[in-house]
Amino acid sequence: AQSVTQLDSQVPVFEEAPVELRCNYSSSVSVYLFWYVQYPNQGLQLLLKYLSGSTLVKGINGFEAEFNKSQTSFHLRKPSVHISDTAEYFCAVTWANQAGTALIFGKGTTLSVSS
Amino acid sequence: NAGVTQTPKFQVLKTGQSMTLQCAQDMNHNSMYWYRQDPGMGLRLIYYSASEGTTDKGEVPNGYNVSRLNKREFSLRLESAAPSQTSVYFCASRGRGLHEQYFGPGTRLTVT
Repeated sequence: AQSVTQLDSQVPVFEEAPVELRCNYSSSVSVYLFWYVQYPNQGLQLLLKYLSGSTLVKGINGFEAEFNKSQTSFHLRKPSVHISDTAEYFCAVTWANQAGTALIFGKGTTLSVSS
Repeated sequence: NAGVTQTPKFQVLKTGQSMTLQCAQDMNHNSMYWYRQDPGMGLRLIYYSASEGTTDKGEVPNGYNVSRLNKREFSLRLESAAPSQTSVYFCASRGRGLHEQYFGPGTRLTVT
């Protein structure tokens, strides 16, 4: 069965510092990987996705993530964070080549950016 | 283009009461999903509908029923609410050929 582990439940960081949010997954078949962001009292918004091809994917708001098949990881990075990046971030996985299947989510990482 | 809409935004129920959460999407998506979000648990799938006319159980279906009313609408019903169903409920949809899901703003439900 698939599973997703977000290795840090909370990440505090100062404004303009770099940040990495870590995500590991387990699956015996090919997967698609996603990062979503949830701002307070809002729904989830897609940050970026990995389907195939280049292992470095760029998303919105200056975020990027690298797919590492050997490490089964999909870590999210931003070189310089802003106060407005304070939110909860979710890593998710789904089976490749299967229609209609749902996303399996990690438990989330709360990113807190302070000045 | 409103995307995915959910009603109501907030609801308080007493134990044993019933209610239906409504979800609609205007993106002509085939697949629709209901998740619940609890602190420290991430999002867990309750039910999904891969296409109009089909529904399937997810990870936590007990205490819930769903109806795919048409291609646009997918409702979630609590027949006899329990305090353990206090949660934030999200509806999502996915289009054919796409792999990402699009989420609604959520319904915050409290059962006392």
